Amino acid sequence: GAVVSQHPSRVICKSGTSVKIECRSLDFQATTMFWYRQFPKQSLMLMATSNEGSKATYEQGVEKDKFLINHASLTLSTLTVTSAHPEDSSFYICSARMVIGPLHFGNGTRLTVT
Amino acid sequence: RKEVEQDPGPFNVPEGATVAFNCTYSNSASQSFFWYRQDCRKEPKLLMSVYSSGNEDGRFTAQLNRASQYISLLIRDSKLSDSATYLCVVSPLSSNTGKLIFGQGTTLQVKP
Repeated sequence: GAVVSQHPSRVICKSGTSVKIECRSLDFQATTMFWYRQFPKQSLMLMATSNEGSKATYEQGVEKDKFLINHASLTLSTLTVTSAHPEDSSFYICSARMVIGPLHFGNGTRLTVT
Repeated sequence: RKEVEQDPGPFNVPEGATVAFNCTYSNSASQSFFWYRQDCRKEPKLLMSVYSSGNEDGRFTAQLNRASQYISLLIRDSKLSDSATYLCVVSPLSSNTGKLIFGQGTTLQVKP
């Protein structure tokens, strides 16, 4: 079964609004979670590393004020896309790992900004 | 040069065929290697880790060549259900981190 749950799976919003995406680790604690973005026919690109109890680490070129990450507990990280625009339309995926083992991915969120 | 490079394909093969994908990586200090499978509009799912000695899981065989900095995935006796995009994934640091570098993916289409 799934070990990482992501919600919502699909969201359509109007330009200028903000969208929050949740990522939960199920049955394990994740001090670190990761947020990726994937545009059509392109590879997953790491956006940021979410650290429980501290600030997220953003990859080069990712605007931290636009993509707000909050990792308030050991099982929940949220990504908020603020003032979304059509170019933010993409597939957003979170991932987390247990103490040992590979990364597990959430089921992804398909964001469409109209 | 991309950190992880794959031939995007698509590879169109008949059922039962054997198909192989290669992937090259640029960082010689890379520590961990994986093959993930991604179905259309879905999240990636781990297919197998790649070990230095090579490893096999049923019809799938993965190999690592550190000297030439490439990994490979061999699929024997292809099934229709193998149709998907296969992502070559490299971790630049030890496996204790989650920072992964993804290739563009190689698309496989298995035809009846």
